[in-house]
Amino acid sequence: GQNIDQPTEMTATEGAIVQINCTYQTSGFNGLFWYQQHAGEAPTFLSYNVLDGLEEKGRFSSFLSRSKGYSYLLLKELQMKDSASYLCAVGGGGGADGLTFGKGTHLIIQP
Amino acid sequence: KAGVTQTPRYLIKTRGQQVTLSCSPISGHRSVSWYQQTPGQGLQFLFEYFSETQRNKGNFPGRFSGRQFSNSRSEMNVSTLELGDSALYLCASSGGQTKPYEQYFGPGTRLTVT
Repeated sequence: GQNIDQPTEMTATEGAIVQINCTYQTSGFNGLFWYQQHAGEAPTFLSYNVLDGLEEKGRFSSFLSRSKGYSYLLLKELQMKDSASYLCAVGGGGGADGLTFGKGTHLIIQP
Repeated sequence: KAGVTQTPRYLIKTRGQQVTLSCSPISGHRSVSWYQQTPGQGLQFLFEYFSETQRNKGNFPGRFSGRQFSNSRSEMNVSTLELGDSALYLCASSGGQTKPYEQYFGPGTRLTVT
């Protein structure tokens, strides 16, 4: 089985930096994904890590440590539009396996 | 390039009925995955189809089934609906040439069972 834990809710200030952590315990692993989901909308892909280390993409970065079963999503220069749920998911790197999602972290950005 | 489309967007059914939902993946994508999203359980994987074959299945009862056609379009069916089946059903396609692992989600079908 697979278990994925992430904080339920976080609050941050516009312009600041926030780190959303995700820990996982899985029987298999073939990649870790982060998705963003605004209320009432479908999830959108943010990042994918299969090797240890940091992947940077603009204001968003994602880190993975496979030995620790740990990942984080780092959001810089926060904007109000970043208020959303952020979903951590573990699954098949080649799309062969379904993704197992965490419950999501609801991020609230305050002015 | 058109995104993932799902029909219908909203559906109201009665307990005991059955329902069929449709998903058209992004052109060129051969893999379609289905998920159920509820406030209590979050996003849960139902099954994945690739080239008309079910390649992986989540932990859902047999009332939930699916299929994929030769054009990669997919349908999922839920029989003998229960109140607890009320949820947002999302499909995602993947298998693009440059990023085969990246799943693109459709807007979802909101199913309400009364």
